[in-house]
Order: sequence, then structure tokens, then C-alpha cells
Amino acid sequence: GAVVSQHPSRVICKSGTSVKIECRSLDFQATTMFWYRQFPKQSLMLMATSNEGSKATYEQGVEKDKFLINHASLTLSTLTVTSAHPEDSSFYICSASGGVQETQYFGPGTRLLVL
Amino acid sequence: QKEVEQDPGPLSVPEGAIVSLNCTYSNSAFQYFMWYRQYSRKGPELLMYTYSSGNKEDGRFTAQVDKSSKYISLFIRDSQPSDSATYLCAMRVPWGYSGGGADGLTFGKGTHLIIQP
Repeated sequence: GAVVSQHPSRVICKSGTSVKIECRSLDFQATTMFWYRQFPKQSLMLMATSNEGSKATYEQGVEKDKFLINHASLTLSTLTVTSAHPEDSSFYICSASGGVQETQYFGPGTRLLVL
Repeated sequence: QKEVEQDPGPLSVPEGAIVSLNCTYSNSAFQYFMWYRQYSRKGPELLMYTYSSGNKEDGRFTAQVDKSSKYISLFIRDSQPSDSATYLCAMRVPWGYSGGGADGLTFGKGTHLIIQP
């Protein structure tokens, strides 16, 4: 299957700081990338959909000014958690899709801990 | 009512047994169905991807979709201890359904599977 990478794999930061997470599709061009969040013992919840070169579409209840998404190229999307707070601590996972019939391939996830 | 229902388990079976995992859904717009395996603290790994009713087999895994009943299943034959993980069903609407391009996946809660050696 297709390979998607995320960086960093784990980050610990102080409350009020911003954290940037990168998602890369390594062996295919991703027309669409998705960002999910997963709390302990919960399923993945879609946060936003990102198409290359256009603004991201956010799910209801997700603050677009807090979770900044940039899809600069067909292989890279970034999620920036601005002014992070302890309640933002979670497992953030991106996925990438290559086309109309393509399914989504997931990255390994980034574990964020805000102190 | 959640859009996708999945028993979280845990489901514990002896090695070699046939495992049956299931999800039900309520949104008839879902047309594409997936099963992912997720190990602790890792990203989900795609196991099966189907878009029509019926069965699809890949090695020890068989995915079954019944759109009329809004019910999907994953069967694992000859289960191994290494199959112990959380299994997530996921589904999505057709491309462009929401007026844009691709839509995100809606996941079940995941079933925690334990294969006893």
C-alpha cells in the first residue's frame, strides 16, 4: 500500500505554544489529505479535509483559527495547533487519498501532550 | 444514534479460531467500506476496501457487505496472536457527494481483539 509519513511522532509542549505537524505522502500524489484526532479508547474523528492549493474544510465544532491547515503541495500538508492547551492533548493522524476511487492511507500518527 | 455502530469488545478468542467482526450503519449514502487494523499508539493500517455488496477475500481476511441491511463484517480465519489489535470499520460517501471533492471517513469505535496463544 501507499506510504504516508508524519513528523514528529511525539511532541510535548507547554500550554500556550504552537505545534506544527507535517504529513507527507511518500510514493504518490495526494489530491486530498485529511486530519483526524483520536482520544484514548475512542475512534478517529475527522477534523478537516485539505485539498492542495485551496482552503481546508473543517468539521463542525473544530476551530479553524486554532487548527491551521496548509496543503502546500500534492505530497505535503501541515497542521498547526496554535496556542495549545492541555485539552488539545491527543493523537493526531493524517491520511492521504490519491483520487476518486482511492481509499485513504494513514500516517503513523503524532502524539501531542500539552503540559 | 451514531452513524456507525461497532462493539468495542474486548473480544477474546483462542488461536486458530475464526473471528467475526461487525459494524452497522445508518446512513444509506455510505457506499465505500473499509476495515483498518490499529496497533496501540500506531496509525491505522488498511486491511480491506470494498464498494459493493457481497464478499471480498484477501488471504485470511474476508470482508462482507450487505447494503440492504446496512451491515458489514470482517472475518479472520486461522487467527494468530499477531492479529491481536483494534479493528476499525470505516466508510464514506461517494466522491463529490457533499459538493466538494473527497469526503473523510466515518469510523466505528473499533473492536479490541485478543487472540490467546
